[in-house]
Amino acid sequence: SQQGEEDPQALSIQEGENATMNCSYKTSINNLQWYRQNSGRGLVHLILIRSNEREKHSGRLRVTLDTSKKSSSLLITASRAADTASYFCATGGLGGSQGNLIFGKGTKLSVKP
Amino acid sequence: SQTIHQWPATLVQPVGSPLSLECTVEGTSNPNLYWYRQAAGRGLQLLFYSVGIGQISSEVPQNLSASRPQDRQFILSSKKLLLSDSGFYLCAWRTGGDSPLHFGNGTRLTVT
Repeated sequence: SQQGEEDPQALSIQEGENATMNCSYKTSINNLQWYRQNSGRGLVHLILIRSNEREKHSGRLRVTLDTSKKSSSLLITASRAADTASYFCATGGLGGSQGNLIFGKGTKLSVKP
Repeated sequence: SQTIHQWPATLVQPVGSPLSLECTVEGTSNPNLYWYRQAAGRGLQLLFYSVGIGQISSEVPQNLSASRPQDRQFILSSKKLLLSDSGFYLCAWRTGGDSPLHFGNGTRLTVT
């Protein structure tokens, strides 16, 4: 079953604008990860935030986590056409389960030059 | 550096035919290995994972099976494909714990 749900499903912006994607989840988590997928390719890990962290930065990426609201956001600043891709959040459960990162359905981001 | 190879990139198979998708990882030992399936416009569904040779955990009962004959080799199989097996199959590995997943480039399977 789906754990994370991204919002919006699709987002279209102009180059240079910021893009914000949200992820909500249902159960307690150990960590939350964001991945990027270019069309027809595998996913690439972007950033991981642990349940005891509230904010994390990596280059133009900023991720926040609010465990009380069971939600996370991914902000891409100063977007570029090359950022066009689908973005997925994935939640890791408590107990360090070997199996299960549970992925949402993704947000399809289109950055127009 | 670690790399993951997955093949073939695309595959068209008739209903009822067998399937074998292969995935190999280089540059690491004893990785956790995963098979995911992605339907069009959907998220990823975990099919199988393995924490060691010969150890396979199935997440979703279905027409598929997985095997890990060697430490860095993971195979997804079916004896008889169904139309519903069509999709984008992704192999991935990680070292364990909360380490990130590293994905292959996927196999686009179309069952006709």
